[in-house]
Amino acid sequence: GDSVTQMEGPVTLSEEAFLTINCTYTATGYPSLFWYVQYPGEGLQLLLKATKADDKGSNKGFEATYRKETTSFHLEKGSVQVSDSAVYFCALVTGNQFYFGTGTSLTVIP
Amino acid sequence: GAVVSQHPSWVICKSGTSVKIECRSLDFQATTMFWYRQFPKQSLMLMATSNEGSKATYEQGVEKDKFLINHASLTLSTLTVTSAHPEDSSFYICSASRGRDEQYFGPGTRLTVT
Repeated sequence: GDSVTQMEGPVTLSEEAFLTINCTYTATGYPSLFWYVQYPGEGLQLLLKATKADDKGSNKGFEATYRKETTSFHLEKGSVQVSDSAVYFCALVTGNQFYFGTGTSLTVIP
Repeated sequence: GAVVSQHPSWVICKSGTSVKIECRSLDFQATTMFWYRQFPKQSLMLMATSNEGSKATYEQGVEKDKFLINHASLTLSTLTVTSAHPEDSSFYICSASRGRDEQYFGPGTRLTVT
């Protein structure tokens, strides 16, 4: 079945460091791919998305490219800030059904 | 646009009582709403899919008699945890969909059963 495999955390980085969170997927069709962010005690917020191969989603300095050949959607940011500390979820959707990764906790220290 | 609210945001109840959680789409009509459960430091687990005017579809392993879902209108779905027990303590998140690939999440409800 469809699924998402996400890099396990926790990840701790210093401010202004480069961030990569790996995400790969398995899907029978042509899913849309998402990254969500969850701040402590809150629900999920859409960070970015890509709906077809080679699309690049970007928002708030974060980027992810839909790579069909490697079935990946890795999240990157060139320079993280303390305010980026949160849990990040990779997800795919097919037929209105969402599949979430296990989440990666990111802590950015000053 | 596309704001989803949940009420309450936090609830404590005694074991054996029932708790109702509301999920509302504030500025759009949601044909489908979803209920998720999240344990500490874990991912979201889909509990059920709720379509307006019809019975909810529950995921395998989710007790439909314990987690009652009602989708009375295009802007409101409710989850009632009946005869709650401490193991039901969790973070419950709803989401609302207004079309393919568009799903908007509520802020979540933290349930603590004592």
